[in-house]
Amino acid sequence: RKEVEQDPGPFNVPEGATVAFNCTYSNSASQSFFWYRQDCRKEPKLLMSVYSSGNEDGRFTAQLNRASQYISLLIRDSKLSDSATYLCVVTLTDSWGKLQFGAGTQVVVTP
Amino acid sequence: DTAVSQTPKYLVTQMGNDKSIKCEQNLGHDTMYWYKQDSKKFLKIMFSYNNKELIINETVPNRFSPKSPDKAHLNLHINSLELGDSAVYFCASSQEWGQGASNTEAFFGQGTRLTVV
Repeated sequence: RKEVEQDPGPFNVPEGATVAFNCTYSNSASQSFFWYRQDCRKEPKLLMSVYSSGNEDGRFTAQLNRASQYISLLIRDSKLSDSATYLCVVTLTDSWGKLQFGAGTQVVVTP
Repeated sequence: DTAVSQTPKYLVTQMGNDKSIKCEQNLGHDTMYWYKQDSKKFLKIMFSYNNKELIINETVPNRFSPKSPDKAHLNLHINSLELGDSAVYFCASSQEWGQGASNTEAFFGQGTRLTVV
């Protein structure tokens, strides 16, 4: 079983709609959680960290559920520029910053 | 100024050759990494260096040898290249935070697309 699992998608979303997707992690010692974004043939870039109480950054909302070991990302009012692969990333306690990536969820926003 | 830069961007080479990828960061970070992204887009850590010292060495064939001449540079040398080495290799850096600390952003280079033929 992979340590970080994501629905690969693609999620086809009309412009202006809301899309949400989850990521599950297997190790209960996971300490920090992030969403990174990767555009086609580009490098991953941090989208947002995920905090225990949930957090919002503009149109993006991230939630963490430690009991069920998943994190979620919700995108409101989708823009064409939101089309990308969203990577769920987890770090473990005492892991020296090693990032554990999911394989990514592809989002395609259509006009 | 590019924060994390790696060269070359593309590398096509024959099986059995030896090649190097260079990485430099100008962010003043203490920690640098090499990640491999395979054909299924799965990113996996290979190595981590903190201030020129090897911290993480995942189960990587010893044909792969990282070298860090100073904390701003982390190069990757690959001997006897195999078809299965074809992938995108990403260098990254982050602020050193030590064991057990949390929540820091990793900055990635633009990637080196290696094709072994």
